Order: sequence, then C-alpha cells, then structure tokens
Amino acid sequence: EPEVTQTPSHQVTQMGQEVILRCVPISNHLYFYWYRQILGQKVEFLVSFYNNEISEKSEIFDDQFSVERPDGSNFTLKIRSTKLEDSAMYFCASSESRDPGTGANVLTFGAGSRLTVL
Amino acid sequence: KQEVTQIPAALSVPEGENLVLNCSFTDSAIYNLQWFRQDPGKGLTSLLLIQSSQREQTSGRLNASLDKSSGRSTLYIAASQPGDSATYLCAVSPWPPGNNRKLIWGLGTSLAVNP
Repeated sequence: EPEVTQTPSHQVTQMGQEVILRCVPISNHLYFYWYRQILGQKVEFLVSFYNNEISEKSEIFDDQFSVERPDGSNFTLKIRSTKLEDSAMYFCASSESRDPGTGANVLTFGAGSRLTVL
Repeated sequence: KQEVTQIPAALSVPEGENLVLNCSFTDSAIYNLQWFRQDPGKGLTSLLLIQSSQREQTSGRLNASLDKSSGRSTLYIAASQPGDSATYLCAVSPWPPGNNRKLIWGLGTSLAVNP
C-alpha cells in the first residue's frame, strides 16, 4: 500500500538552528499538508500546498516557517531559527484531490518527525 | 471558533467489551468528520469518514455516528481486542470547505484493551 515517508524520524537541535524536515508524499497525490502535535496537545494544522504554492496557512506558520517542493517528489518544511516551543511531532500528509475528505481522497499521513529543540 | 472535545480522555477495558468513544464539536457547520487512530511512533490512520449529510459509517467492528445538529459523534468498537489499543482522534473539516480541507482535531481518547 502506498505510504507517505518522513525523514528524519527524530531530530535534536539547538535553539536558533535551522531545521529541514522532509516528506515524500504518495506519487500521484497533488495536495500536501504539514500538521504538528506538541506533546500532550492537539494536532494543529500548519500549512497546505498545491501547484507549487501555499493554499492556506495557520497563524502558527509565521515567517520562520517555509515549505518547498524542490524536485517534484520531496516536500519539505523548513524552520529557519528554531525555538524551544517548536519541539513537537511534525506530520506530513498528502491527498489526491482538493477534497481530502471524501472516499479515496482521505488524507494519508506519514509516521511523523519528532523535533526536539534544546 | 471550532473546538473539538473528546471524552473520555482515557479508557481501559477487558478484551471483548463493546465500547463507545465520544466526540463533540462547538460549531455544527462542518463539511465532514473523521475518526483516526494513532499508534505510538506511527502516523495517523484514517478509520472512518462521515460526510455532513450522513448519519453513520461502518467498517468492520467500527461504527461511527454523526448528529450534526447537536455537535456530536460517537465511535462504537464492537468486541474489542488488544490490537485495538491506541489513541483515537476525532477531527472535523469546517464548512465552507474552501480551497483547503484543513482538519480541526480533538485531543483523543487513549484506549487500552487488556487481554
């Protein structure tokens, strides 16, 4: 069964360092998402991406965050200067169509990248 | 602002029991509601999706119902097994759907099924 792959599974970094989290979505999917989950808290939407541009972003997704699809297969989330509060599990998801909520177009999530900022 | 709440936060049951997990949401203007399963170290797996026009969906031993007007959904698990042990998350997609289908999540119910 096709799956979304995320790397690294766990990254530890110092505050102020740049971090890039990588995702390989399912190959025929067109819509891509990043969510995060701080330990003990709810999963939160960060950003959605389609046709090489951001379609929506949350207020969490400030200037420190950026996303890119550099080569048609990878989908990356960059945090420019990490803060302690960026420590969380980051989930990438993809879907075939604009409507990830119906039938076969349900979002498929990766296993997550755990980011620890010291 | 849409808020999603799940009760109970944790549940421990003996194997074989039928159980009900609850999800409530504050704004009935939803596009759909989904139930997910989260295993430690794994991603989020979609279990069932209910469109706003539907009342329930079934998959195997799982049955999810939706009462949009009262802002409630339940996930019924029949004949629970130890392999059902996981965290179950409820998420709603707001209306209107717009260009994005972002999901608003509950905190989850942590389920332990004991052999």
